[in-house]
Parts: sequence; structure tokens; C-alpha cells
Amino acid sequence: ILNVEQSPQSLHVQEGDSTNFTCSFPSSNFYALHWYRWETAKSPEALFVMTLNGDEKKKGRISATLNTKEGYSYLYIKGSQPEDSATYLCASPNAGGTSYGKLTFGQGTILTVHP
Amino acid sequence: DVKVTQSSRYLVKRTGEKVFLECVQDMDHENMFWYRQDPGLGLRLIYFSYDVKMKEKGDIPEGYSVSREKKERFSLILESASTNQTSMYLCASSSYRGATGELFFGEGSRLTVL
Repeated sequence: ILNVEQSPQSLHVQEGDSTNFTCSFPSSNFYALHWYRWETAKSPEALFVMTLNGDEKKKGRISATLNTKEGYSYLYIKGSQPEDSATYLCASPNAGGTSYGKLTFGQGTILTVHP
Repeated sequence: DVKVTQSSRYLVKRTGEKVFLECVQDMDHENMFWYRQDPGLGLRLIYFSYDVKMKEKGDIPEGYSVSREKKERFSLILESASTNQTSMYLCASSSYRGATGELFFGEGSRLTVL
């Protein structure tokens, strides 16, 4: 089983703060790294799918970077807002499951943004 | 608006009951997945299917079975529910794009087994 780890497990920030969290994954046989956001009572939704070392993707105030050589990705949120409160999940395909998009997920980082 | 629909948001069942969780997607996706989510453990894959009538075990298949008779529908079956199967169950689908195909999720089914 592929090991995908996220830190921290939870994070509390004030509105307006910028924050970041980490996803680490085995650097050998890298295929892709996915980030999802899961808001309470909603479905998890894809934020980014990253494939290239050094890649940086951005969606509004959220951005992500990828380092495949050392096996980590950072997710950054600039100027956090209460609506950013969610669980953020990263995931990577199993080496044997790339043909079917089978993903192994980290434990998630629960972000709470206080007004 | 693309959609993955799970039949029940909340279920309460008794130990030993047979439980069916249904999932339907309207995106004509080849791949469908069942995950469970438990605090501190993240999403863990139970079963997945890459075509009609095709299925493969995920990381935690014990106590579960699945059925995919039609492309749009993927059912998770708990033959004899046990209390350790109390969890949030998430269905997802993706198109056949290998490692980069993003997953589309349903809203989840929270199952409590008493």
C-alpha cells in the first residue's frame, strides 16, 4: 500500500491569515498528485491534479506546489476566509492502479478559519 | 451539472442485517469506487470497478461485496453488518484517464450499525 501522509492533522487560523500544509508521498514511481477539498455536508471536490516536478497550480487564493524528487506537495491558502474551512485531502495513484485511477489518500488536514 | 448520487445520506442498521448502498453517476464514467472514511484514517478504498461486471478489491474489502450490472450504477453490499462497519461511505467515479483522472464524489452515506 502506498503511504501518503499529511500534516498537520488540524489547523485553526484567523480570518485573513495565510496558511499552508503538507502532503508527502513516496518519490519513486511517481505518477500524479491530487488535491481535494471536502466541505462539511458536501462532496469532496478536486482542486488540482499535478504531474510535473516543480509544477505550481493556482485557483483563486489557493495554490499548490509539487516536488517529485523529494516526495512532497504544499497547499497554500492566502488570506483565509471562513468559507475555506474544510478538510483538505491529497492522494496519489497506487503503482498498480494507474490504469484505473485508483487513489490512495492521506489522512487529511482539517482547516478551521475563525471570523 | 455532473453528478454522483448516493441513495441514502443516513442509515441506521442492526448487527447482522444485510445493507445495500447504491451509487449512480451520470457522466458515463468507466471507473467507479467505494471508499470509507474514518476519523484519523482518511479515505480507504474498499472496492473499485473499471467496467460493467468487473470489480477488484481495494485495501479493505473484508466484509463487503459489490455489484456493477450497469455502467452508471455501483452497489456496495454489507452481507452481515457489524458495528466496526459504522462509518461514512463515499462513492466516486472517474473517466479512463489513468493516474490523472480526477475523482467525482457523491455526498456520502453515513451508516451506523447498532
